[in-house]
Amino acid sequence: GAGVSQSPSNKVTEKGKDVELRCDPISGHTALYWYRQSLGQGLEFLIYFQGNSAPDKSGLPSDRFSAERTGGSVSTLTIQRTQQEDSAVYLCASSFRDGSNEQFFGPGTRLTVL
Amino acid sequence: GNSVTQMEGPVTLSEEAFLTINCTYTATGYPSLFWYVQYPGEGLQLLLKATKADDKGSNKGFEATYRKETTSFHLEKGSVQVSDSAVYFCALSEGAAGNKLTFGGGTRVLVKP
Repeated sequence: GAGVSQSPSNKVTEKGKDVELRCDPISGHTALYWYRQSLGQGLEFLIYFQGNSAPDKSGLPSDRFSAERTGGSVSTLTIQRTQQEDSAVYLCASSFRDGSNEQFFGPGTRLTVL
Repeated sequence: GNSVTQMEGPVTLSEEAFLTINCTYTATGYPSLFWYVQYPGEGLQLLLKATKADDKGSNKGFEATYRKETTSFHLEKGSVQVSDSAVYFCALSEGAAGNKLTFGGGTRVLVKP
């Protein structure tokens, strides 16, 4: 079946602009995670959804970052007033539930802030 | 908080050589441990996992044993191939934390023919 998909695959934006990154999880997966992969910080957790609620937002680096999930499926990560340090690959993962099940990762969105 | 430390790369090997990538962790509870692999141009894939002490995870000739006494989860493969060239990430998760993954810094492995 289809895996986790993310769009766009690449996004180049100017400093100060807002961007939206989209994640389509595997059908039936109730847990959804956002991570960020950057040269300086490695792979870091951003936010976790169980259904449409986000019990753990502890990894969001600032209030410019927000995320939502609707219908227990698609999630959107929004970055407002982008800064150069936001440049990274943003990864989405999903799993059946927040037990010990495997997280399946999408291909990522590469964000470049000029 | 939780943390994962793994050996820095790059690690360069010849085909059929033995590979070890060290990984140690710090956690407040009893985490599950994972190795993820990222092949060139591809996304992260789970390579193997272990959910409790003394469990051995294995896949594609790779093995790692959950050692609670040394808080380690070292990855090993007896005979590497060129196709094993990738970046390997050690990670842990704790159920109480919603199973979010805490990753090590990644180790790039290059296998030469």
